[in-house]
Amino acid sequence: RKEVEQDPGPFNVPEGATVAFNCTYSNSASQSFFWYRQDCRKEPKLLMSVYSSGNEDGRFTAQLNRASQYISLLIRDSKLSDSATYLCVVNEDYDMRFGAGTRLTVKP
Amino acid sequence: EAQVTQNPRYLITVTGKKLTVTCSQNMNHEYMSWYRQDPGLGLRQIYYSMNVEVTDKGDVPEGYKVSRKEKRNFPLILESPSPNQTSLYFCASSLNGAEAFFGQGTRLTVV
Repeated sequence: RKEVEQDPGPFNVPEGATVAFNCTYSNSASQSFFWYRQDCRKEPKLLMSVYSSGNEDGRFTAQLNRASQYISLLIRDSKLSDSATYLCVVNEDYDMRFGAGTRLTVKP
Repeated sequence: EAQVTQNPRYLITVTGKKLTVTCSQNMNHEYMSWYRQDPGLGLRQIYYSMNVEVTDKGDVPEGYKVSRKEKRNFPLILESPSPNQTSLYFCASSLNGAEAFFGQGTRLTVV
């Protein structure tokens, strides 16, 4: 089965910093892409979908590069509450494939 | 309220004693899946189901069974649990590639 790989992290950044995560996927036929957020030992929750044209939601920007088969997540003006693990998710033939996650810690 | 419900939330059991973790969703989703999460390894897929009576192995199916007799339910069965199955388990459902909804997780300890 195909792989979804993420930056290993962890990322430790000060409040207000800009941080970017990347994720690569190996199945060129993948249909849809997402970023999920997971707080410590809780269930993952959808952060945002990733569209071909790129999309933005407040301080968060997601981009997709189909030619290079990677997606990215940019967080601007980091807040303490952004501390979490961020999971890259790729949909392959309606089967959801998860990256291992990148842990972000935002410090005062 | 749209949700995925797992039970139990916490379970401590002994090696070899059969157990079932239930998962139920009320969103009429075709796709359901089970994952285990261990420190440093992320979410690893155990089994998934595209629809009723259709199940497939994920990345780590050994030691697990599933069934999908109804669309809403997707139980995970450990016929003979072993200590290496101690983990945090998540059930998820989605509508064919759209957002996945997760249960709250089941912390299983096998001693």
